[in-house]
Amino acid sequence: QKEVEQDPGPLSVPEGAIVSLNCTYSNSAFQYFMWYRQYSRKGPELLMYTYSSGNKEDGRFTAQVDKSSKYISLFIRDSQPSDSATYLCAMSIGGGGADGLTFGKGTHLIIQP
Amino acid sequence: GAVVSQHPSRVICKSGTSVKIECRSLDFQATTMFWYRQFPKQSLMLMATSNEGSKATYEQGVEKDKFLINHASLTLSTLTVTSAHPEDSSFYICSARGGRVGTEAFFGQGTRLTVV
Repeated sequence: QKEVEQDPGPLSVPEGAIVSLNCTYSNSAFQYFMWYRQYSRKGPELLMYTYSSGNKEDGRFTAQVDKSSKYISLFIRDSQPSDSATYLCAMSIGGGGADGLTFGKGTHLIIQP
Repeated sequence: GAVVSQHPSRVICKSGTSVKIECRSLDFQATTMFWYRQFPKQSLMLMATSNEGSKATYEQGVEKDKFLINHASLTLSTLTVTSAHPEDSSFYICSARGGRVGTEAFFGQGTRLTVV
């Protein structure tokens, strides 16, 4: 069993839809959870960063962490074609970024105009 | 945000040769740099962690004699793939943290290495 499981997709939705992306993990020691967006042939860009369980909202993005279920989600409201990218979940035991990150495979998201 | 520059963005080399990849933090001092490798349709996998002025710490299964990491200054780390083989072909990405950016790590653009 891999440490972090993420459906690679592709996930295709119409513009304006609410997108739900998620990851499951097996290591209960993970405390810091992140979502990155990666465009083709580019490095990952940090979107959301959360510590422990709970919700965090930033504009059209909402991140949820449920440590009891070892399940994290990213919601994108009012999705735009420019949101089309690969979305990677990542997590770490120590202060987010202080340790190396464990990544999911990434979900390829396509927003259809 | 902060800027991490990685060079080259892509390189093709012959089997048996060595390739050096540079990772620079342009507007902050990176006390820690991380090197990742990403094979097609796979996760980014952490290869090693380097702290400025110290030897790198390699993840299990990563050959330290093959992937030489130097972090000699607070703004530059290099990864040298020695005696490259076709199976080393991959996307290599660095990230850096420290200084004014604190614990958040920023990623470079990645280097696509193709060994022929």
